[in-house]
Parts: sequence; structure tokens; C-alpha cells
Amino acid sequence: TAGITQAPTSQILAAGRSMTLRCTQDMRHNAMYWYRQDLGLGLRLIHYSNTAGTTGKGEVPDGYSVSRANTDDFPLTLASAVPSQTSVYFCASQRSPDHNEQFFGPGTRLTVL
Amino acid sequence: AQSVTQPDIHITVSEGASLELRCNYSYGATPYLFWYVQSPGQGLQLLLKYFSGDTLVQGIKGFEAEFKRSQSSFNLRKPSVHWSDAAEYFCAARTLQGAQKLVFGQGTRLTINP
Repeated sequence: TAGITQAPTSQILAAGRSMTLRCTQDMRHNAMYWYRQDLGLGLRLIHYSNTAGTTGKGEVPDGYSVSRANTDDFPLTLASAVPSQTSVYFCASQRSPDHNEQFFGPGTRLTVL
Repeated sequence: AQSVTQPDIHITVSEGASLELRCNYSYGATPYLFWYVQSPGQGLQLLLKYFSGDTLVQGIKGFEAEFKRSQSSFNLRKPSVHWSDAAEYFCAARTLQGAQKLVFGQGTRLTINP
């Protein structure tokens, strides 16, 4: 069982360029999440989706957008990357918003120069 | 504001020694509480969780955690650590109602001395 896959594993991006981080889950979970992980700050929620067709803003949404066209995929887009978006990005899913456990993908390491 | 605090950024223990990682939460009501572990270059894996009932919960890999309402704490413990326990540990909390989104602590990096 693949669980959650993320692509790419890592990326170096020039400032001002756009990029989409991909996330796919095969568990038919309704809820999906994007976090960024920064040293000393833990994981902070960027955007979330409680079910296909809906999205919401998390703690640090500025500079990011998401879409949820279907249950399996939840891409995260940086329209115009800035160096402060250098981080490790984790996608997670949960069977439903009020269910117990979130499952995490392996992460994407993004460096913006 | 709802928050989770892990006071220790980095802890070093010797292999075979006991371990306690601290976690405090600030919520209006008792939230759901979780401990996750992140091995180097990996995603997060759930170690254990507390929702209600017995305040001492058992998890995977020999870990346990104790919920103390009076101290707003949910500390993680292991009687005897192994070199493979070296990792980053995150405490997290989620409300039972409303937005129900996970809030993470800053993380504690655990180093094991041989």
C-alpha cells in the first residue's frame, strides 16, 4: 500500500518562479492537509481540505494555493516563490475531519534561491 | 490562542537510559493529544494518542505517555532507549469541536549516546 506519495522529493527553485508540489493518497481519505516544517517552529498548517471540492486556510496560507478536484489529489502551488518559502513540505490525510489519526507523506524539500 | 509547547529543543541520553520528553498544551478544553516521531529524512509516524479514559496510554516501540489535566501536560516516556530511537519527536493537539486541526509543538530532537 503506497499511502501518501509526494513529488518531487526535493527541488531547487529560483525566486519568482512558480511550482506545484504534488500529493496523492490511495486510502480514500476525505481530509487532506499541507504543512511546512521549519527548524524550531514544528509543523505549521498551510491549507487543508475536509472533502473533495472544498479547501480552507491554515495558519500560514499566504503565498500558497491549493485545489481539491478529486479525493486522491491535493496539489500545493507557489505562484511566485520567495526565499522564505524554503522549507520541507508535508502532505497528510485523515479519513474524515473528526477522525483520530493523520497519516503523513515523506515530504518535499524545497529551496528557493 | 491554542498552543502546544515542547520546552526541550534537544535532549541527549545514553543508550539504555530512561527518557521523558515534555509537552504542555494550552486549550480551553482538553484536546485530543498525540505524539509523532520523525526519523531523519522521513515523514511523521504516530506513536500514541489520548482521547479520554485511562490517563496512561501505551504506544508503539515501547513508548508511553501520561496525561495530567492539572498540569496541562502529556509527557512521553520510555524506560530504556535504543539507538534506533534517535529522531525528532512532536507533540500535537486537536480540538474535539470546531476546526479540529492539528497544532504541533516545536519538536524535540533526541540524540542517543552509545
